Amino acid sequence: GAGVSQSPRYKVAKRGQDVALRCDPISGHVSLFWYQQALGQGPEFLTYFQNEAQLDKSGLPSDRFFAERPEGSVSTLKIQRTQQEDSAVYLCASTTKQGLRINYGYTFGSGTRLTVV
Amino acid sequence: SQKIEQNSEALNIQEGKTATLTCNYTNYSPAYLQWYRQDPGRGPVFLLLIRENEKEKRKERLKVTFDTTLKQSLFHITASQPADSATYLCALLWDSSASKIIFGSGTRLSIRP
Repeated sequence: GAGVSQSPRYKVAKRGQDVALRCDPISGHVSLFWYQQALGQGPEFLTYFQNEAQLDKSGLPSDRFFAERPEGSVSTLKIQRTQQEDSAVYLCASTTKQGLRINYGYTFGSGTRLTVV
Repeated sequence: SQKIEQNSEALNIQEGKTATLTCNYTNYSPAYLQWYRQDPGRGPVFLLLIRENEKEKRKERLKVTFDTTLKQSLFHITASQPADSATYLCALLWDSSASKIIFGSGTRLSIRP
């Protein structure tokens, strides 16, 4: 497709349950980012991939959060043993490596809204 | 650590007027500053990028300024329309390798007819 696709759009998880969130970036986009957005706040950086390599995971809040991009395209963000404070919108974005040089910006998906009950 | 501050209160503007949103940051200046628009239930949409050596950038009814002395960017929407109502986010990048960007908390803009 033309944009970044995320699934599911909504996920309700019981506390302690594991969840997996999927991101399909724009074809050919080298860089992929995951962000977490709490209500009324700006997106907070979680992790960054260049192709299949995870170059920065400094924003992952705990070792319950794990992200992968094994073939350099689709990425999955996994949260183990979910807790209520994990409730947020999880956004995925992609860009070309040369994106900034052509004023391209980052292309975001619509996000997955996770609610932990 | 770097802090980014945007107008914390929502901005209400009469249609046709110019809306001005502020983005202030601490510490050292970023190489690039971006502005995004976000509608409810959607991801941010890229609007404009300005480099640290640029004072001003325009695109249609949008204008962005970047003052590294004041550590501030201003985002202007001229001839505002109700369809411009959304949350606007500023985002800072410190290098050209397209690594992570840091977002402000956003300013909610409402344009009343």
